[in-house]
Amino acid sequence: EVQLVESGGGLVQPGESLRLSCAASGFTFNTYWMTWVRQAPGKGLEWVANINQHGSEEEYADSVKGRFTISRDNAKNSLYLQLNSLRADDTAVYYCARNGGWYLMDVWGQGTTVTVSS
Amino acid sequence: QSALTQPRSVSGSPGQSVTISCTGTSSDVGGYNYVSWYQQPPGKAPKIIIYEVTKRPSGVPDRFSGSKSGNTASLTISGLQADDEADYYCCSYAGRTGVFGGGTKVTVL
Repeated sequence: EVQLVESGGGLVQPGESLRLSCAASGFTFNTYWMTWVRQAPGKGLEWVANINQHGSEEEYADSVKGRFTISRDNAKNSLYLQLNSLRADDTAVYYCARNGGWYLMDVWGQGTTVTVSS
Repeated sequence: QSALTQPRSVSGSPGQSVTISCTGTSSDVGGYNYVSWYQQPPGKAPKIIIYEVTKRPSGVPDRFSGSKSGNTASLTISGLQADDEADYYCCSYAGRTGVFGGGTKVTVL
């Protein structure tokens, strides 16, 4: 079964850091681009970042550029998102998704919740 | 990276058709045929229902169809059913990043 499972979310204070993980199974992980998408409480989906199969190309939304870093470990079939300098407006459910084609997300995880609050 | 514009809500009776618009610019929707649509039931993860403007993944009913004209993409749901009630989001390639619409809540009356 093709599956993505996120972990690492939690409650942090403004300015702190967090590292999210996404474990992939059921498909050849190192042949797919991967994407992080987030959803603030009661709000819509927001594209956050993506990374190519080899980890050599990354793109970020302006809202997170310079603060978040996407990475992957193909040997561990895992995707990561390092969140630094967290702000209250980063509070959201963070989903990892597989890119089944160019900028189309065909498999999604169940999400992990990040809450930034003092 | 401004969000694409979608109506906040649409509604229809069972069996009717509804259409959701997704308006962007020539830098995203109008510039590329990489528009996808996602269905998100309450409390669940999104699910892809349309990609590359008009294509349906296997398993998605042909009641769902996509189109595009200029800077506006559209999703049409024909033969509306109760379990179509969900939030729907468009997403477009925007040159180097992706951009989502604000989402549309579909209500089945």
